[in-house]
Amino acid sequence: EPEVTQTPSHQVTQMGQEVILRCVPISNHLYFYWYRQILGQKVEFLVSFYNNEISEKSEIFDDQFSVERPDGSNFTLKIRSTKLEDSAMYFCASIGQGDRPDYGYTFGSGTRLTVV
Amino acid sequence: AQSVSQHNHHVILSEAASLELGCNYSYGGTVNLFWYVQYPGQHLQLLLKYFSGDPLVKGIKGFEAEFIKSKFSFNLRKPSVQWSDTAEYFCAVNAESSASKIIFGSGTRLSIRP
Repeated sequence: EPEVTQTPSHQVTQMGQEVILRCVPISNHLYFYWYRQILGQKVEFLVSFYNNEISEKSEIFDDQFSVERPDGSNFTLKIRSTKLEDSAMYFCASIGQGDRPDYGYTFGSGTRLTVV
Repeated sequence: AQSVSQHNHHVILSEAASLELGCNYSYGGTVNLFWYVQYPGQHLQLLLKYFSGDPLVKGIKGFEAEFIKSKFSFNLRKPSVQWSDTAEYFCAVNAESSASKIIFGSGTRLSIRP
């Protein structure tokens, strides 16, 4: 079954450093998403991306965050200057186009970001 | 804006007990509804989804959910739980179009006593 892959699985960074989280969505998918889950809390929407631009973003997704699809396969989330409160599990997701009976988001296994 | 409420934060059951986890959503239009499961240390997995047709939806691992439009509810059920069902369960909704964002509930932690 096709998978969404995320790397690295765990990243530790110092406060103020830049981090890039990487995702490889399913190859024929067109809509891409980033979500995050702070430990013990619910999964929160960050941003959606379609046709090489952001289609929607939450209030969490401020100027410190950016997304990019630098080539045909990768989808990255960059945090320019990390803060302690950015520590969370970050999930990438993708879906295909069209209202298919098997529609549903596919989530990656996540990157655990720890800011120290 | 849509929202999802899961009123049970932590549910503890013995094996073979029946399970029902509550989920209510807030949105006036057409919605797609989901239940995701997150086993300890793992990523989110889709248990089942509803977007049209029969309001009683069957998913993987013996789970089912019923969409009751008049109550804005989508409760998850399983007649007999197993120890391996220990996990966090998230109800989720997306609205407007099938490509719009998913909004998650706060989750229900299910602990099964062997």
